[in-house]
Amino acid sequence: QKEVEQNSGPLSVPEGAIASLNCTYSDRGSQSFFWYRQYSGKSPELIMFIYSNGDKEDGRFTAQLNKASQYVSLLIRDSQPSDSATYLCAVDDYKLSFGAGTTVTVRA
Amino acid sequence: DAGVTQSPTHLIKTRGQHVTLRCSPISGHKSVSWYQQVLGQGPQFIFQYYEKEERGRGNFPDRFSARQFPNYSSELNVNALLLGDSALYLCASSTLSGGTDTQYFGPGTRLTVL
Repeated sequence: QKEVEQNSGPLSVPEGAIASLNCTYSDRGSQSFFWYRQYSGKSPELIMFIYSNGDKEDGRFTAQLNKASQYVSLLIRDSQPSDSATYLCAVDDYKLSFGAGTTVTVRA
Repeated sequence: DAGVTQSPTHLIKTRGQHVTLRCSPISGHKSVSWYQQVLGQGPQFIFQYYEKEERGRGNFPDRFSARQFPNYSSELNVNALLLGDSALYLCASSTLSGGTDTQYFGPGTRLTVL
């Protein structure tokens, strides 16, 4: 079983819509969770992290964490063409364990 | 402030050769981690160093080695290159000062093994 799994993509959403990305993890003891954005040919860029159950909002991005169900999600509101990228979920256990990523395409 | 820097940007080697990749962390960061990312996958952890000591090692063969210098910069060495070592090699730095350890990535080194 993979440590971190993300919903398979690609995910195509119209401009202005909400993109919803999901991630599950296997280690119940995991404490910190990260979302990175990676444009094609570039390195991962940190969007936000979350470590408490519930929601955390940063601009158009909202991360949601449910430790009992072992999932973390990312919502992108008012999606823009510039949000088209691969989104990586990562779980921190002194090292980052990444999912394979979900590719999002925002249609103008 | 400058972010994480890596050199070289691109590298082409042939099978059996050796390669050295370099990384300079964000100023004030004492921890450096190395990741390998092959096309279509998420980054895979190779090493983490903190204060010049190896803090963790991923599931990679002994052909992979690393070290951290007194100025906190780091080198990743790969011996006896295989075609499967072709990947984007990412360096990330963090403070490891307690609490949530946020890692920031450099631009990466694209290694192609022919």
